[in-house]
Amino acid sequence: DQQVKQNSPSLSVQEGRISILNCDYTNSMFDYFLWYKKYPAEGPTFLISISSIKDKNEDGRFTVFLNKSAKHLSLHIVPSQPGDSAVYFCAAYSGGGADGLTFGKGTHLIIQP
Amino acid sequence: NAGVTQTPKFRVLKTGQSMTLLCAQDMNHEYMYWYRQDPGMGLRLIHYSVGEGTTAKGEVPDGYNVSRLKKQNFLLGLESAAPSQTSVYFCASSSVDTEAFFGQGTRLTVV
Repeated sequence: DQQVKQNSPSLSVQEGRISILNCDYTNSMFDYFLWYKKYPAEGPTFLISISSIKDKNEDGRFTVFLNKSAKHLSLHIVPSQPGDSAVYFCAAYSGGGADGLTFGKGTHLIIQP
Repeated sequence: NAGVTQTPKFRVLKTGQSMTLLCAQDMNHEYMYWYRQDPGMGLRLIHYSVGEGTTAKGEVPDGYNVSRLKKQNFLLGLESAAPSQTSVYFCASSSVDTEAFFGQGTRLTVV
């Protein structure tokens, strides 16, 4: 049973436009959410996170929104750039995270010139 | 500034062979993890450690063993490799106030 779901395996967006990546979760105990970015043949790198006590966190071109009642979060990238083409993983944990992250299956974002 | 280093980067094993993957971190993190990534499956937790000398099972522990004899190292062992263990393996480390940092991955093929 998937606790973190990314229902779009891929997303194509034109350069300069907004990219919106979505993530749903089922475990109400999750209290921290993260987005990781992964290029081919590299390890995932941390992008942005949000605590369950907030509904928005912004870092430059990246904004994460959390809707706890809907158990939904989204990552907005604006404007999208060619270097943003990568696989994006949504992840979550509860209770401090010592026992690891639960990941979604990932969304492959392709930025078209 | 190395971060998390995995050894080796690539390996081909025959069914039934054994091997050990090494993970080393230089950030003095308490927590360390081994994940595997399979096509269309995201990353799944194999085993983890919350401190030197401690280990615990994750979501997919069968067929693997781990050891954390030193704080900076986390070893993942395959005693008798099976084709189902063909995957990309990622090690990660974190502490109570940081996000997880990942290594570059080990691509393992079992034939």
